[in-house]
Amino acid sequence: DIQMTQSPSTLSASVGDRVTITCRASQSISDWLAWYQQKPGKAPKLLIYKSSTLESGVPSRFSGSGSGTEFTLTISSLQPDDFATYYCQQYSGYPKTFGQGTRVEIK
Amino acid sequence: EVQLVESGGTLVKPGGSLRLSCAASGFSFNIVWMNWVRQAPGKGLEWIGRIKSEGDGGTLDHAAPAKGRFTISRDDSRNTLYLQMNSLKTEDTAVYYCTTEGWEPGPFRFWGQGTVVTVSS
Repeated sequence: DIQMTQSPSTLSASVGDRVTITCRASQSISDWLAWYQQKPGKAPKLLIYKSSTLESGVPSRFSGSGSGTEFTLTISSLQPDDFATYYCQQYSGYPKTFGQGTRVEIK
Repeated sequence: EVQLVESGGTLVKPGGSLRLSCAASGFSFNIVWMNWVRQAPGKGLEWIGRIKSEGDGGTLDHAAPAKGRFTISRDDSRNTLYLQMNSLKTEDTAVYYCTTEGWEPGPFRFWGQGTVVTVSS
């Protein structure tokens, strides 16, 4: 199975900060990587797929990059609505595995 | 508008069985690959399994914790996805989500609101 490791597990930041979350795959997954945002009590929401393609309707302050085994999600200017937990997911092969999540909290 | 509505979650005793349903609307259900994902209380997301469309053979793939105990099926005439869970364990306690994958391997674009399964004596 492909293991996905996110860092950090928790991130404290202020509104307006630039935030970067890293996701590492245990083997190459090309660019078959998605990022999701989840708020408490809600289903996850797709933000980015194919490593860097923004899902329709997602604000442009979100961006993704990387290929192979190393990926990043960047929020260019953190907004109040962005405090949430973020998950990466590889869909290169089965089982489709998620990272353990990164909680972005208010500093 | 795409809608996925899960149902069937409840309190069940260890060793028991349960069938979850996911009613889909707003898209061509019969051509879309569907998945189940779960989330234990306070934990991350865990993929359970996927069923391809009948046109793509209806192939199933399950994660290791589900193999032999959980079975995914679909009824395209009812636009409904199912998850049959047998021999339930306390560690199966979670929110269970159904998700769409499209018609080829890809991300999970649409999610239901989830249904809660509690396994406890």
